[in-house]
Amino acid sequence: QVQLRESGPGLMRPSGTLSLTCVVSGGSITSASHWWSWVRQSPGKGLEWIGEVHQTGTTNYNPSLKSRVAISFDKSKNQFFLKMYTVTAADTALYYCARRARAAARQAWFDSWGQGLLVTVSS
Amino acid sequence: EILMTQSPVTLSVSPGEGATLSCKASQNINTYLAWYQHKPGQAPRLLIHGASTRATGTPARFSGSGSGTEFTLTISSLQSEDFAVYYCQQYNDWHPYTFGQGTKVEVK
Repeated sequence: QVQLRESGPGLMRPSGTLSLTCVVSGGSITSASHWWSWVRQSPGKGLEWIGEVHQTGTTNYNPSLKSRVAISFDKSKNQFFLKMYTVTAADTALYYCARRARAAARQAWFDSWGQGLLVTVSS
Repeated sequence: EILMTQSPVTLSVSPGEGATLSCKASQNINTYLAWYQHKPGQAPRLLIHGASTRATGTPARFSGSGSGTEFTLTISSLQSEDFAVYYCQQYNDWHPYTFGQGTKVEVK
């Protein structure tokens, strides 16, 4: 069974660049059958999809965040990454990595999730 | 962006009773809807996809229904492990995928 685990800094300063890693075990990120996503939950709010990457290198991003984020992967380490630029307090959130169950369009439910990593942006 | 609205925000239920959660989409999403269960400190868990297809391991007491813009998650007889927050998610449109704000099912 695939497992995902987020890692990265718990505290960020405003205007900095957030870098998060998702370590995938029990499955390969080079699988053509899945996309790999980042989702976040701000305090007191619901879930917000950030974006996703496929092993082909194709990425899709939430239009509201597209100008500030980049998702990439390292096949050799079976990891994928989130970079978010110029963070503010509004980016304080619990960040999850997740696996999209199927690669096909309109089959984009998430069948595996990490436990989440709290990132606080504060001076 | 497709807005997903869940109701109620909080549902107080006694163990053994049933619960009905609602999710409404701001436009037609056919049956491209998933439900998740989320407990504090844990990874969200997929319960339902395709509006009504139970994911592997989802107990039969969970059932999903609906199409178009109105969807329902029904829990037939709440067990202690079912008290959690439940989210719906649409995947009809990836520009972007969107989630509801959640319904918290708490012990009455």
